[in-house]
Amino acid sequence: DTEVTQTPKHLVMGMTNKKSLKCEQHMGHRAMYWYKQKAKKPPELMFVYSYEKLSINESVPSRFSPECPNSSLLNLHLHALQPEDSALYLCASSSRPGLNNEQFFGPGTRLTVL
Amino acid sequence: AQSVTQLDSQVPVFEEAPVELRCNYSSSVSVYLFWYVQYPNQGLQLLLKYLSGSTLVKGINGFEAEFNKSQTSFHLRKPSVHISDTAEYFCAVSEEAGGTSYGKLTFGQGTILTVHP
Repeated sequence: DTEVTQTPKHLVMGMTNKKSLKCEQHMGHRAMYWYKQKAKKPPELMFVYSYEKLSINESVPSRFSPECPNSSLLNLHLHALQPEDSALYLCASSSRPGLNNEQFFGPGTRLTVL
Repeated sequence: AQSVTQLDSQVPVFEEAPVELRCNYSSSVSVYLFWYVQYPNQGLQLLLKYLSGSTLVKGINGFEAEFNKSQTSFHLRKPSVHISDTAEYFCAVSEEAGGTSYGKLTFGQGTILTVHP
């Protein structure tokens, strides 16, 4: 299995809602990443998990809360989001943290905040 | 810190014509280089990568890229494009250990390739 899966594909939420994005990989990778991508822009790194521990947080607002329950699973918990948080959220994984950093990306979750 | 510049935001070409998408990078240490493709409403797919060794790298879908250390460039080429190559292409760089951005992948702003019939 050489893919990264993400659920849901689309999510619409209000500013008071709480929702979660899910990412899964079964390639034995020990680094996982969350990116945010706005239209016609490159992905922006949000968080990096290295051996299930948060290793990089790119000054992301606390309304985004990552979680890595095990080596295959990565969640992003969302609470009290703003309309400007609407974007494509991409998950990625790589075999070892920092090792050449070839990352495998999931298809993304298209988030709309009303 | 590392940075990536993609010199063209949009490149229109006709089908079966050759294409070159340009990428320059900046880093104080040695780097690994990647080209990713993103089709509309999809995630990123790796086209090719340069880690070490031969500076001419061949990837999927007939694409190739050449690493030029003296010019800090990693341009992507295809000798004959198809309509299906229409997509956005991102150049990305990752620093070897010792760099201040170690562990991160930095993307260029992207180049939209549009292939016309």
